[in-house]
Amino acid sequence: GENVEQHPSTLSVQEGDSAVIKCTYSDSASNYFPWYKQELGKRPQLIIDIRSNVGEKKDQRIAVTLNKTAKHFSLHITETQPEDSAVYFCAASKGGSYIPTFGRGTSLIVHP
Amino acid sequence: EADIYQTPRYLVIGTGKKITLECSQTMGHDKMYWYQQDPGMELHLIHYSYGVNSTEKGDLSSESTVSRIRTEHFPLTLESARPSHTSQYLCASSGDAGTHETQYFGPGTRLLVL
Repeated sequence: GENVEQHPSTLSVQEGDSAVIKCTYSDSASNYFPWYKQELGKRPQLIIDIRSNVGEKKDQRIAVTLNKTAKHFSLHITETQPEDSAVYFCAASKGGSYIPTFGRGTSLIVHP
Repeated sequence: EADIYQTPRYLVIGTGKKITLECSQTMGHDKMYWYQQDPGMELHLIHYSYGVNSTEKGDLSSESTVSRIRTEHFPLTLESARPSHTSQYLCASSGDAGTHETQYFGPGTRLLVL
């Protein structure tokens, strides 16, 4: 089955810095890669996703890149703000499965 | 407003009791899921359903059971609660037209078994 590795487990940055979280996957048939943000005490929510026919996608300060050959994808957050502090989960799934495999999560701490 | 609802939000119960965690969604989704998560930690899939009368076990071995008699309702039952069941349980659904894989999570039920 699919295996998703996520690094780092904890990331501490100063406000205004950039943050990068990386995930690798094992199943070359995976074609959908979402990122979820979970604030303390809240439910996980989708913040951005990418499909295997696209190499990069941006939404304001957030971007995701995908390297199908290397089987890894990354979340980039620029100009971090304290409200970006949360646990971020990457996931991978393949068409027809609808069962995502999640990474273990990254706790991002943005210091004011 | 379309959403996913879970009740109760918090539950403290004694060992050996039978409990049912409720999950309902007004998203119009066909697929539903149950995850177990210690706060801020990994998401472990314990059950999922592709539609009415469809239920499957997930990756994490669980002593719970689920049922899917109605599209919008996916309750999880523990026949005999144990302290090892103490955790947060998140219900989710998916099935938006065009983004079938995107998961929408409920607010969770925090369970403490004494």
